Amino acid sequence: DAGITQSPRHKVTETGTPVTLRCHQTENHRYMYWYRQDPGHGLRLIHYSYGVKDTDKGEVSDGYSVSRSKTEDFLLTLESATSSQTSVYFCAIKQGNTGELFFGEGSRLTVL
Amino acid sequence: ILNVEQSPQSLHVQEGDSTNFTCSFPSSNFYALHWYRWETAKSPEALFVMTLNGDEKKKGRISATLNTKEGYSYLYIKGSQPEDSATYLCAARSGNTPLVFGKGTRLSVIA
Repeated sequence: DAGITQSPRHKVTETGTPVTLRCHQTENHRYMYWYRQDPGHGLRLIHYSYGVKDTDKGEVSDGYSVSRSKTEDFLLTLESATSSQTSVYFCAIKQGNTGELFFGEGSRLTVL
Repeated sequence: ILNVEQSPQSLHVQEGDSTNFTCSFPSSNFYALHWYRWETAKSPEALFVMTLNGDEKKKGRISATLNTKEGYSYLYIKGSQPEDSATYLCAARSGNTPLVFGKGTRLSVIA
């Protein structure tokens, strides 16, 4: 268990409102990732971080921003949510030795 | 963006059958290949990480092989059981890029 938790686990919001998802880890891993899961698309990378204040874009970063002000927290923000951002969002950390990803439990976001 | 393809998209097998699926990826600048198992309503869990051409990994009835020269990996399940029903994801890295996932193979094992 990599001690990774996501919050909130479920959220329903309206189009145009800001939303922030939080990923928290307790084991000081350097790399953290945000993915979204959609039917027919598998897991697609939104943004990732390779250290405090070090972030980079993934393949579907439009409409999302991230921040990592401390090692344990990686925040994903939708500045103005749209219905196309309805999805399940997974945070992951990279295990240092093997490189494998360990995933959080997911956050289901519905944008009405 | 790295292109990772998995086939078939879905598969139904009888309990006790052995099965396999394929992951293909660009062979140039290859770094690592991962397999994950993803049960419905849960999070993906790592099965294998492979980096060397010819790598073979095994965990119980599940095994995987890697061919980096031709850009493919096979996942094998021997004697499928209903509890093997899940989506199996592969993901590849090249150079310094993050992992890119395929769309998965959804396996249903019928008792």
